[in-house]
Amino acid sequence: NAGVTQTPKFQVLKTGQSMTLQCAQDMNHEYMSWYRQDPGMGLRLIHYSVGAGITDQGEVPNGYNVSRSTTEDFPLRLLSAAPSQTSVYFCASSYPDRYEQYFGPGTRLTVT
Amino acid sequence: AQSVTQLDSHVSVSEGTPVLLRCNYSSSYSPSLFWYVQHPNKGLQLLLKYTSAATLVKGINGFEAEFKKSETSFHLTKPSAHMSDAAEYFCVVSGGYGGSQGNLIFGKGTKLSVKP
Repeated sequence: NAGVTQTPKFQVLKTGQSMTLQCAQDMNHEYMSWYRQDPGMGLRLIHYSVGAGITDQGEVPNGYNVSRSTTEDFPLRLLSAAPSQTSVYFCASSYPDRYEQYFGPGTRLTVT
Repeated sequence: AQSVTQLDSHVSVSEGTPVLLRCNYSSSYSPSLFWYVQHPNKGLQLLLKYTSAATLVKGINGFEAEFKKSETSFHLTKPSAHMSDAAEYFCVVSGGYGGSQGNLIFGKGTKLSVKP
């Protein structure tokens, strides 16, 4: 049972480049979300999805896009990377009637 | 609106002494509260959760937390610290943006150092 997986583990981008952070879960969880972690800030919600075909914004959505075509996958797209998006990104999932989240191992992104 | 405040950014204890990590919350309704732990360069692990059942919640690795509605607190404790407890701890409340209970609001974290 792989749980929540994220790829890549590390990524360096130049300002203006685009990329997609991948997230997949094999627990048949309907709820999935993306957070970013910055020093001294805790984790902040970027986008979330309560099921395939349904997404919504969290606290810090600007500069990020998401889609949810399947229950298993929830990719996060950076259309034009900026240095302010340097962060560690965590994907999480859960059953809809359970509040605790299962987190992936994270992706460390640096934008120069 | 939901929010959490972790009262200490850094706590240092000696091995074998008690641990107290403080958290206050604000919620417009009965909240679900969690403590997560993050070891250096690792992901997040759920320590324990409160979801309106018993107010004293026991978690993994000997940690426990007490929900006190009158004080709006959810402090994390452990009777005896171990070197392996050194990590960052996050107090978390559910029911953030959009009202979905899965949307978590994190405190800013407390770094726990354990001295030999």
